[in-house]
Amino acid sequence: QITLKESGPTLVKPTQTLTLTCTFSGFSLSTSGVGVGWIRQPPGKALEWLALIYWDDDKRYSPSLKSRLTVSKDTSKNQVLFTMNNMDPMDTATYYCAHSTTTGQGLFDYWGQGTLVTVSS
Amino acid sequence: DIVMTQSPLSLPVTPGEPASISCRSSQSLLHVDEYNYLDWYLQKPGQSPQLLIYLGSIRASGVPDRFSGSGSGTDFTLRISRVEAEDVGVYFCMQALEIPPAFGQGTKLEIK
Repeated sequence: QITLKESGPTLVKPTQTLTLTCTFSGFSLSTSGVGVGWIRQPPGKALEWLALIYWDDDKRYSPSLKSRLTVSKDTSKNQVLFTMNNMDPMDTATYYCAHSTTTGQGLFDYWGQGTLVTVSS
Repeated sequence: DIVMTQSPLSLPVTPGEPASISCRSSQSLLHVDEYNYLDWYLQKPGQSPQLLIYLGSIRASGVPDRFSGSGSGTDFTLRISRVEAEDVGVYFCMQALEIPPAFGQGTKLEIK
């Protein structure tokens, strides 16, 4: 079955760079039509899409955050890396990675458990 | 970018009664393939979101048939025929037609 898990720091300081890793199983990121997305949720607020990386290494970013985001994949390790630079307290949120497909059968059909990242000095 | 608007934002429901959530998009989500690229997700308390409905009306695997999705173009509805205690949580609609995907604000369903 498909599983995903986010890992990384729980606390970062303002202006620092956040790096999160999504480790997954049950699918391959070299299979046509497959992707991994990143979504965040500030405490008590709505979901916000951040980025998507596809099997062919196509990458898409939120227009409002594009200058701060980078995603990459390591297919051999079944991992996706997510970085966000110049962190601000407003970036405090639970960050999720999710399995994605281009089949139309649900853009994000499997989600990780999420990791809460707090930005504070 | 497409903007998603949900209503109501809070929905108290008596168990066994029906519930309905509305979702409106700022642009049509109807693709040339005649499907509406609209997903519904449920985030139960303390959990990650889970996919409930995709392409506007198709239930994801394992989703009970008391959940149904309808609508086309810019107006969509999620209905629960008879609410159960396990249905509490926040329901989000999301447009999957184009990048960037966009979520609604969420509707919090609670049991009366």
